[in-house]
Amino acid sequence: KNEVEQSPQNLTAQEGEFITINCSYSVGISALHWLQQHPGGGIVSLFMLSSGKKKHGRLIATINIQEKHSSLHITASHPRDSAVYICAVSNGMEYGNKLVFGAGTILRVKS
Amino acid sequence: EAGVTQFPSHSVIEKGQTVTLRCDPISGHDNLYWYRRVMGKEIKFLLHFVKESKQDESGMPNNRFLAERTGGTYSTLKVQPAELEDSGVYFCASSQDLKHLSYNEQFFGPGTRLTVL
Repeated sequence: KNEVEQSPQNLTAQEGEFITINCSYSVGISALHWLQQHPGGGIVSLFMLSSGKKKHGRLIATINIQEKHSSLHITASHPRDSAVYICAVSNGMEYGNKLVFGAGTILRVKS
Repeated sequence: EAGVTQFPSHSVIEKGQTVTLRCDPISGHDNLYWYRRVMGKEIKFLLHFVKESKQDESGMPNNRFLAERTGGTYSTLKVQPAELEDSGVYFCASSQDLKHLSYNEQFFGPGTRLTVL
């Protein structure tokens, strides 16, 4: 079993829908990262969080340290949100901040 | 400010050949990471440099892989001899060395797609 599990693996939504992607992890962490990769594009960091909630535009990321769970929400989804969303964790104290990745969620938003 | 760059963007080689991938981190970033995604699997860590020193190379698959970071600037990852299972996308990432934080943001390069035939 992977140390970082994401769900769903694939998600198709209609434009305007509210989207949630979930991430669970089984190891100690310093931070959890949400990353985005558009088709043919590079990996971009969306959020890095160690507690609570962060918001950037239509994207919201939350983390529950006790439950070892994080969610990425997209409000009013748009076709340009279509991408692979990747959850990753790091533990700076023990592992030099190397990232341990989930398998990714392929999101397709239809107009 | 220039981002992380990688060269080449694509490489197609035959089994048994040698390939060298290059990563130029963001200027001033002491931390440099190599990661790899093979088809259908999650991205996996290969190794971590702090300046020119290998901090952690626990993810290197075998001794056919050699990474260097001379002078603590750019890094190269050589695969010799390449095998079919080495095909995948190789990503490089860099970050600042922020000693007062237990975590810091990593900035990724566009990746090198390696195909071994």
